[in-house]
Amino acid sequence: GNSVTQMEGPVTLSEEAFLTINCTYTATGYPSLFWYVQYPGEGLQLLLKATKADDKGSNKGFEATYRKETTSFHLEKGSVQVSDSAVYFCALRRETSGSRLTFGEGTQLTVNP
Amino acid sequence: KAGVTQTPRYLIKTRGQQVTLSCSPISGHRSVSWYQQTPGQGLQFLFEYFSETQRNKGNFPGRFSGRQFSNSRSEMNVSTLELGDSALYLCASSLAAGNQPQHFGDGTRLSIL
Repeated sequence: GNSVTQMEGPVTLSEEAFLTINCTYTATGYPSLFWYVQYPGEGLQLLLKATKADDKGSNKGFEATYRKETTSFHLEKGSVQVSDSAVYFCALRRETSGSRLTFGEGTQLTVNP
Repeated sequence: KAGVTQTPRYLIKTRGQQVTLSCSPISGHRSVSWYQQTPGQGLQFLFEYFSETQRNKGNFPGRFSGRQFSNSRSEMNVSTLELGDSALYLCASSLAAGNQPQHFGDGTRLSIL
């Protein structure tokens, strides 16, 4: 079946540090891959996406590259801010599954000033 | 443009009762999906509706049901509530089923006493 595995959290960084959150997936075919962010008390917001191999999604300084050979979609940011503190979810959507998303466990990120 | 609206935001029920949650999608969106979020199981897909038809269903018991109206608004119902049904229930909408970005509401927090 389909599954998404994220690095375990929580992750605590100082402001301006480099961020990497690892995400690997298992799925047949060519799924689309996503990163969502959830701030306290809110729903999920789409951060970035990639729909085919070697695509790079980017938004607000965050980037992730769809690596088919390693089935990975790691999230990176060069310099985190306190306002980036949130829970980050990696997710996939298979071509044949309509809008259904399969999520990873989520990674809590805390950025200290 | 108004986002996805979920009502109520908070709900407290007791075991054995039933509950109905509501989701109003973004204007023009015809696909609505529901997810359950718990600390133990993470984000799990419940079902997806498109044009009043259920297109996809997750692995939840029959106590969980849903429907979609002609204006695309959706409701989900949980009967015979159990303690384990305590969760944040998230609704997401998109223009159509499939390869379209999904927009999430802020969720309904359901607590079972």
